[in-house]
Amino acid sequence: GENVEQHPSTLSVQEGDSAVIKCTYSDSASNYFPWYKQELGKRPQLIIDIRSNVGEKKDQRIAVTLNKTAKHFSLHITETQPEDSAVYFCAARESGYSTLTFGKGTMLLVSP
Amino acid sequence: GAGVSQSPSNKVTEKGKDVELRCDPISGHTALYWYRQSLGQGLEFLIYFQGNSAPDKSGLPSDRFSAERTGGSVSTLTIQRTQQEDSAVYLCASSLVGLAGFRTYEQYFGPGTRLTVT
Repeated sequence: GENVEQHPSTLSVQEGDSAVIKCTYSDSASNYFPWYKQELGKRPQLIIDIRSNVGEKKDQRIAVTLNKTAKHFSLHITETQPEDSAVYFCAARESGYSTLTFGKGTMLLVSP
Repeated sequence: GAGVSQSPSNKVTEKGKDVELRCDPISGHTALYWYRQSLGQGLEFLIYFQGNSAPDKSGLPSDRFSAERTGGSVSTLTIQRTQQEDSAVYLCASSLVGLAGFRTYEQYFGPGTRLTVT
């Protein structure tokens, strides 16, 4: 089955800096890669996703890049704000399956 | 519209007791997932229901764990003879799998049930 590794486990940045979270996956057949944000005490929510036929996707201050050859994908947050502080989870979906395999999460702390 | 709901929000039980956790998915969502989230850990997949198909139980950690989904809607996760290592937040999610043209794979999560086994 799929295995997703996520780094770093914690990331501290100053407000206004950029933050990058990286994930690798094991199954080359995986074709869908979402990112979820979980604020303290709240439920995970999808913030951006990318399919395997696309190399990059942007949505305002967040972007996701995918390198299929290397089997890794990254979340980029620019101009970070304190409200970006949360745990971020990456995930991968194997082609033909509907379940997601999640990484262990990255706690992002944005200091004002 | 209403999102995914779960009950109870918190459950404290004694070791060895059975517990039932409930999930109400978004109306019309055909897929339902259960996850376990331990402190500082990621989302551990437990079980997946899709329509009338047999559930994918590959993530259930032991035979003490079971789940049902009645009428293609509400689901109940049952943990028998609870152990302290079962303490975690149990999250339910639903999605619109199988409908072309929609964001079929986005999972909408419930608020979770925090289970504490003493």
